[in-house]
Amino acid sequence: GAVVSQHPSRVICKSGTSVKIECRSLDFQATTMFWYRQFPKQSLMLMATSNEGSKATYEQGVEKDKFLINHASLTLSTLTVTSAHPEDSSFYICSARGLGTTSGFFGPGTRLTVL
Amino acid sequence: AQKVTQAQTEISVVEKEDVTLDCVYETRDTTYYLFWYKQPPSGELVFLIRRNSFDEQNEISGRYSWNFQKSTSSFNFTITASQVVDSAVYFCALSEAQYNFNKFYFGSGTKLNVKP
Repeated sequence: GAVVSQHPSRVICKSGTSVKIECRSLDFQATTMFWYRQFPKQSLMLMATSNEGSKATYEQGVEKDKFLINHASLTLSTLTVTSAHPEDSSFYICSARGLGTTSGFFGPGTRLTVL
Repeated sequence: AQKVTQAQTEISVVEKEDVTLDCVYETRDTTYYLFWYKQPPSGELVFLIRRNSFDEQNEISGRYSWNFQKSTSSFNFTITASQVVDSAVYFCALSEAQYNFNKFYFGSGTKLNVKP
């Protein structure tokens, strides 16, 4: 099946710093990428949807200025958590969808801990 | 209202027991997909199955089986002869045609503990 990678797998940062998470589709072109957030012992919640070359669409309640999403190519999307705070500590998972497909392929996730 | 409900927060069984994980969904769309994912402690989502709304045929894959019933809006997952390696959190998810199948609505998950 299609492979989606994320980097880094784990990051610890100080409060107030910005953190960038990469999501790559390794063997297909991802026309659409999705970013999910999962707090401990909770479910996955969609944060935003991004299409290559256009602005991301954010779900209600997600601050677009805090969570910057860039989808500059068909194989790479980045999520930047700006001025991170401890409440941003979470598991961030990306999903990628190729042209003509209806299923998303999920990355392995990035565990962010903000001290 | 929740689109996907997994009422069982946590289930504990002894190895070799059969266990069924419940999933009830809600949608007005006639075309949709249902999914089951396994999430081990590492966090990675492992895809188990996808079923479209027009295919109510039950499916069996080894020790796994799925019962899709549109009449009750349920898509239950049964593990036969459970093993310790089955211990994980299992998520049921829904995607709908109205959103071009882009949005995945996940249930709250069921944590399965299989004890030796």
